[in-house]
Amino acid sequence: GAGVSQSPSNKVTEKGKDVELRCDPISGHTALYWYRQSLGQGLEFLIYFQGNSAPDKSGLPSDRFSAERTGGSVSTLTIQRTQQEDSAVYLCASSFRGQENTEAFFGQGTRLTVV
Amino acid sequence: AQSVTQLGSHVSVSEGALVLLRCNYSSSVPPYLFWYVQYPNQGLQLLLKYTSAATLVKGINGFEAEFKKSETSFHLTKPSAHMSDAAEYFCAVTRTGRRALTFGSGTRLQVQP
Repeated sequence: GAGVSQSPSNKVTEKGKDVELRCDPISGHTALYWYRQSLGQGLEFLIYFQGNSAPDKSGLPSDRFSAERTGGSVSTLTIQRTQQEDSAVYLCASSFRGQENTEAFFGQGTRLTVV
Repeated sequence: AQSVTQLGSHVSVSEGALVLLRCNYSSSVPPYLFWYVQYPNQGLQLLLKYTSAATLVKGINGFEAEFKKSETSFHLTKPSAHMSDAAEYFCAVTRTGRRALTFGSGTRLQVQP
């Protein structure tokens, strides 16, 4: 596609439920990143994929968070047993080859609200 | 380790006035520095980046930034603010071996008519 696509754009879920957030990167981009944006914590890195492998998972806040990427394309971020503190905007980004000096292109994000 | 500090969570300028948004970084190795802009309910868009080729970097929409190693700074400027510049601006850093961006806390720019 023309840009990074994320779905859903908004998600309201009850505390304790599991949620899946989807990211469709720009075609041909091998690197994919997940970030979280919240009022209290700003923009935080969660996980980085190069192809289908995740060499950097250091930002995942707990074992309730997991992510996978299949076919070197679409990625899914899963949050199990959601908590109110998980409420945030989850941003996905992709870049060509993922080199440190290259531009990351961001999607519009998924706004997650846990009630 | 690396980090970014943005001084001023909110900056207000008049239309036509100079815009100056401050960013200081810390990095144990030479950094790559970026400025991103976020308009309401949108993702982030790259304004400009420093990757060691030139210390004065020009970006989109009339913005520029100067890398000053001695001051560990990468301040963003625009000579004349426009109403459409109202947004949140984020400074970010990466370095060799660390591909994910580390962001500053952001500066919200207001432009008064």
